[in-house]
Amino acid sequence: GQSLEQPSEVTAVEGAIVQINCTYQTSGFYGLSWYQQHDGGAPTFLSYNGLDGLEETGRFSSFLSRSDSYGYLLLQELQMKDSASYFCAVDSYSGAGSYQLTFGKGTKLSVIP
Amino acid sequence: DGGITQSPKYLFRKEGQNVTLSCEQNLNHDAMYWYRQDPGQGLRLIYYSQIVNDFQKGDIAEGYSVSREKKESFPLTVTSAQKNPTAFYLCASSRDPDNYGYTFGSGTRLTVV
Repeated sequence: GQSLEQPSEVTAVEGAIVQINCTYQTSGFYGLSWYQQHDGGAPTFLSYNGLDGLEETGRFSSFLSRSDSYGYLLLQELQMKDSASYFCAVDSYSGAGSYQLTFGKGTKLSVIP
Repeated sequence: DGGITQSPKYLFRKEGQNVTLSCEQNLNHDAMYWYRQDPGQGLRLIYYSQIVNDFQKGDIAEGYSVSREKKESFPLTVTSAQKNPTAFYLCASSRDPDNYGYTFGSGTRLTVV
């Protein structure tokens, strides 16, 4: 089966940088995604890493090390609106053309003034 | 605008009743998914469909049923066999089965009393 570990809560100051780590155990690993979800809302896709290294999208960056089964999401120049839950998700191939996205339990980020 | 519509946003049902949650997309996506979200549990996959008239069980399919008669629609029925149906249900779609950028609907919060 699949398992993912990420911190349950993180607090950071407005304007600072925060890193949310994710470790995973899976078979048929295809890639690691990150999603943002505000309270009561729908998750929205942030980034994807299929290969080792850093992917940058504006203030958000995501990193993957396949050999370490580890990735992180880096948020820079934090804004109050970044307060939300962040989920890492493993994209895995289970055979016969079948793919699944398995989510971690999420990290609740609180940005304080 | 293209997107996923889930209705209703809030749903109340009596214990022992079956209830069907609606999910419609106009994104022309092939793959559709149902997730359940409980507090502190992240998102867990119930069922997914990669093509019309075909669907697969996810990690927690017991007590649920789905159909995929049209590309645009993927309704989920929560049956009386589901032991703990009260939860937030999220529908998602992706262009292809191996496309990692899921688009989520705004969710249906089901409360069984």
